[in-house]
Amino acid sequence: DQQVKQNSPSLSVQEGRISILNCDYTNSMFDYFLWYKKYPAEGPTFLISISSIKDKNEDGRFTVFLNKSAKHLSLHIVPSQPGDSAVYFCAARGNTGKLIFGQGTTLQVKP
Amino acid sequence: DTGVSQDPRHKITKRGQNVTFRCDPISEHNRLYWYRQTLGQGPEFLTYFQNEAQLEKSRLLSDRFSAERPKGSFSTLEIQRTEQGDSAMYLCASSLFRGPVGELFFGEGSRLTVL
Repeated sequence: DQQVKQNSPSLSVQEGRISILNCDYTNSMFDYFLWYKKYPAEGPTFLISISSIKDKNEDGRFTVFLNKSAKHLSLHIVPSQPGDSAVYFCAARGNTGKLIFGQGTTLQVKP
Repeated sequence: DTGVSQDPRHKITKRGQNVTFRCDPISEHNRLYWYRQTLGQGPEFLTYFQNEAQLEKSRLLSDRFSAERPKGSFSTLEIQRTEQGDSAMYLCASSLFRGPVGELFFGEGSRLTVL
């Protein structure tokens, strides 16, 4: 069963506009949600996280929103830059500390 | 460099051969995780250690796979009698148990190609 889902395999936006990446989950016991960014031939790098007791966390151009009733979170990137082009993974932390990842969304930011 | 390091970065082998990957975590991290990633998918959990104890193994980890972390520092992941379906990127990550934001720090991965 896929506990964390990213239903959009790809997203293309214009430089300077907002990028919105979405993620859905099924397990209400997750205590943290994280976003990772991955470039080709590199391991995933941590971007931003949110505790399950919060509904918003902001770090510079990146904001994560959590809607627990809908079991949905989203990552907003404003303004988008060409260097943001990468694969973005949503992840949720279970009670053992392991992360469960979604399938990823490839973001392309066009100059 | 004090990040997570993995070796080798790329391994090509013939079906039926054994391969071993090594992971050196961030030194103060007591948890170490192995994940596998195939094309178009997110990382899939395989197993994790707290210090030298292996605390959980995924159903994905068949009996051909074995992982160790003998002194609670580096870890090895061995795949015996490799199959073409084992071709993937094997990712290692480390963390502090119950770190403040839950993040895992990943290495650059070891890509396995089974011919």
